[in-house]
Amino acid sequence: DGGITQSPKYLFRKEGQNVTLSCEQNLNHDAMYWYRQDPGQGLRLIYYSQIVNDFQKGDIAEGYSVSREKKESFPLTVTSAQKNPTAFYLCASSMGLAAETQYFGPGTRLLVL
Amino acid sequence: AQSVTQLGSHVSVSEGALVLLRCNYSSSVPPYLFWYVQYPNQGLQLLLKYTTGATLVKGINGFEAEFKKSETSFHLTKPSAHMSDAAEYFCAVSDRSNYQLIWGAGTKLIIKP
Repeated sequence: DGGITQSPKYLFRKEGQNVTLSCEQNLNHDAMYWYRQDPGQGLRLIYYSQIVNDFQKGDIAEGYSVSREKKESFPLTVTSAQKNPTAFYLCASSMGLAAETQYFGPGTRLLVL
Repeated sequence: AQSVTQLGSHVSVSEGALVLLRCNYSSSVPPYLFWYVQYPNQGLQLLLKYTTGATLVKGINGFEAEFKKSETSFHLTKPSAHMSDAAEYFCAVSDRSNYQLIWGAGTKLIIKP
């Protein structure tokens, strides 16, 4: 069954800690995305990647980092530099063309202890 | 720059009544247009999209939307609301040269019994 998986579902971060959110897809999609969702603000793009070993900053990349070593995987690290990390994080993938649908994972909710 | 405006952060309708969720966009070129739905604590799912061809687009769950270039609108409608339609709905736009999406802030649809 093809799709996108994100883990964990909930993640707790302590002050000064880096945490990594996992995103895996088996749709054979070239493009992958990370979004941050806050109430009333829609989705804001953090990073995106069109191909393996290449990624680009989105609108709110500060305090985040990513890697794309495999086509299937696009992990997001929330660093200690991100001072307000509490949010719902969504990973998506697509064929990478403008008309193509983005498919979303179930999301990870990050909370600060 | 492209932008998307969804009128009304919350829309409340009675079960069986018409659903109308408004989306207006600004774009210098004819865009691709999308509606997604998000159920609580889940990822987003595509409802429908307009790329080319017929301006009235039918989607899943009985929803449809009409692309009106002269009004720069892509409003989402459903003739008869069902309790299961309660969710948040997002309109998104991409220009034809870029596969990134610009997202509206979302409209939460509330269904009254």
